[in-house]
Amino acid sequence: DAGITQSPRHKVTETGTPVTLRCHQTENHRYMYWYRQDPGHGLRLIHYSYGVKDTDKGEVSDGYSVSRSKTEDFLLTLESATSSQTSVYFCAIRRQVMNTEAFFGQGTRLTVV
Amino acid sequence: KNEVEQSPQNLTAQEGEFITINCSYSVGISALHWLQQHPGGGIVSLFMLSSGKKKHGRLIATINIQEKHSSLHITASHPRDSAVYICAVLDRDDKIIFGKGTRLHILP
Repeated sequence: DAGITQSPRHKVTETGTPVTLRCHQTENHRYMYWYRQDPGHGLRLIHYSYGVKDTDKGEVSDGYSVSRSKTEDFLLTLESATSSQTSVYFCAIRRQVMNTEAFFGQGTRLTVV
Repeated sequence: KNEVEQSPQNLTAQEGEFITINCSYSVGISALHWLQQHPGGGIVSLFMLSSGKKKHGRLIATINIQEKHSSLHITASHPRDSAVYICAVLDRDDKIIFGKGTRLHILP
């Protein structure tokens, strides 16, 4: 398996609290992505990063921010968690080289109550 | 309209049947992935294709770039093949775009 770890794996939090999810990789891959997976929607892109301090928004970025201060870590922050952000969150990594495979983390199940 | 469409959404078949899952996309791509996800589990890459056909055991994946279509076939299906199969494309901006998945259930 590619060296990609998500933490925490499970979290329950209250509405209005900030939450940070971490994606850590040991592969030195340049590209990193955060997705959320919801029934009926599949995986949808929240934010992605092409390198340190180089991030961009995906299709469902409202309410989320990201930071990438080191190659190995891509942090996803829910600034003020809402029940609509209850989901399973997946991180993915990819090398910069064209046509290379993506590798996925095990997912973080977040419940906002 | 979704940029990546899969069909069928759900598929139930008997053990031993030949399975086909289809994926159509509307964007320019550099590669296409077929992924597998077991219930409550992580996502595993089965294939990455940019042209032609690939085979791994009982799994075969094909892609037709001109028609913007890919298929995943499973020969001699088995209950352990039951999972969600997801098609994902790598677009020209290096974003990965996913289909909604096909839930496959193989009955013993």
